[in-house]
Order: sequence, then C-alpha cells, then structure tokens
Amino acid sequence: SYEVTQPPSVSVSPGQTARITCSGDALPKQYAFWYQQKPGQAPVLVISKDTERPSGIPERFSASTSGTTVTLTISGVQAEDEADYYCQSADSRGTYVVFGGGTKLTVL
Amino acid sequence: EVEMAESGGGLVQPGGSLSLSCAASGFTFSSYWMSWVRQAPGKGLEWVADIRKDGSEIYYVDSVKGRFTISRDNAKNSVYLEMHNLRAEDTAVYFCARGLIAGGGFDYWGQGTLVTVSS
Repeated sequence: SYEVTQPPSVSVSPGQTARITCSGDALPKQYAFWYQQKPGQAPVLVISKDTERPSGIPERFSASTSGTTVTLTISGVQAEDEADYYCQSADSRGTYVVFGGGTKLTVL
Repeated sequence: EVEMAESGGGLVQPGGSLSLSCAASGFTFSSYWMSWVRQAPGKGLEWVADIRKDGSEIYYVDSVKGRFTISRDNAKNSVYLEMHNLRAEDTAVYFCARGLIAGGGFDYWGQGTLVTVSS
C-alpha cells in the first residue's frame, strides 16, 4: 500500500524556522495537505492543495513542493506552534487517502 | 458556521458491532465528500473510509474492508460508519471529516467519538 514518510520529530527554538518534510512517490501527481493537531483536539488544516493557506491560518505557515517531497515551513516559530503535524495525500489514482506518521514539533 | 458532531462510540467486546453517526450543519452537505479518520491512543491519524457526494463511490483502508460500511443520508446531512467483527486494534477516536476533493483535504472535522474494543 502507498505511504508518505515524515520525520518523527523536529525541534526548534522560538523565532527560528521549522521545516517538516513529507516524501512519497505519488506527490508529483497528487495534492498534499498539512494538518496541525494539539493534544486532545481535532486536527486543523493549515496547508491545502500543496501550498494554499486556508483562511485564518497565520502567514508564518507556508509550504513548497519539489518532486516527490513536500515541505511545510513555519517561519518565526512560536510556542503555540508546538504540536503534531501530519502530511496527507492520496495514491496515484487519487482514490485512497494516506496520512504520514506525523511529526512532533517541539519548541525549545 | 460549519459543525460536525459524531456519536455512537463506546465499549464493545471483540467480535462485536457498533454504529457511528456524524451529523453535519452549516454547509451544503451533498456537495462534499465525507470521510471517517481514526486515531488509536497515542498514535497517528489513519484514514478509514470515504464516500462521494452522492454515495456513488466508496473507498476503505484495507484493514477494515469487509467489516466496516460507510454510508450517507444527504436528506439528513449525516454520514455513518457501521462496524462489525471489531478487533482490539480498532480501538481509537473516530473523527468524521469533510473532504475538499476525492483524495482528502479535510477542512472541517468533528471532535471525535471514542470506540474501545475490549473484553
């Protein structure tokens, strides 16, 4: 079955830039989405359709794509950004949804 | 305001059955794919199933095929997940989510309902 791969953890100091990667063979063909999830809460969509920032999401959240890798970038990280981040995409036919294993962002 | 509320979770014995419901409001329900996504305790998100706007296409993760059934009632703005032959590994919080496209893009989520499979 198709998988997308993320690093399990990323750590940054406040004010620095955090980058979280997601790799998958079908990413050049299928959109990637990014979600933020804090403990005990439902996930929140922070990046849609590869690079679009939904309404209400701070400008410090952005994303880029390069071949089979997509990258979520959080510029000027704040303490409130500490959370789990999930990449989500679909298989090459666009029928089966897949989530990455999640990346725990720690703000030091 | 878009809202989605799951119900129906609870404790069930291995091999048992449970039905989940998700009531949606604040948007044109029949215009969106709907999905169920689960999260086992301390684990990551796992997509379970989704259903096309009109119910004409349905997809499942391999681990639930033949045991779970997703359905929707556009007149009641609701999506359902019927679960049979439940296993310990099905223990999770189950979220319903609105999909922007067939391949996901979940822009609104319910708060989730906990399903515990244990004897």
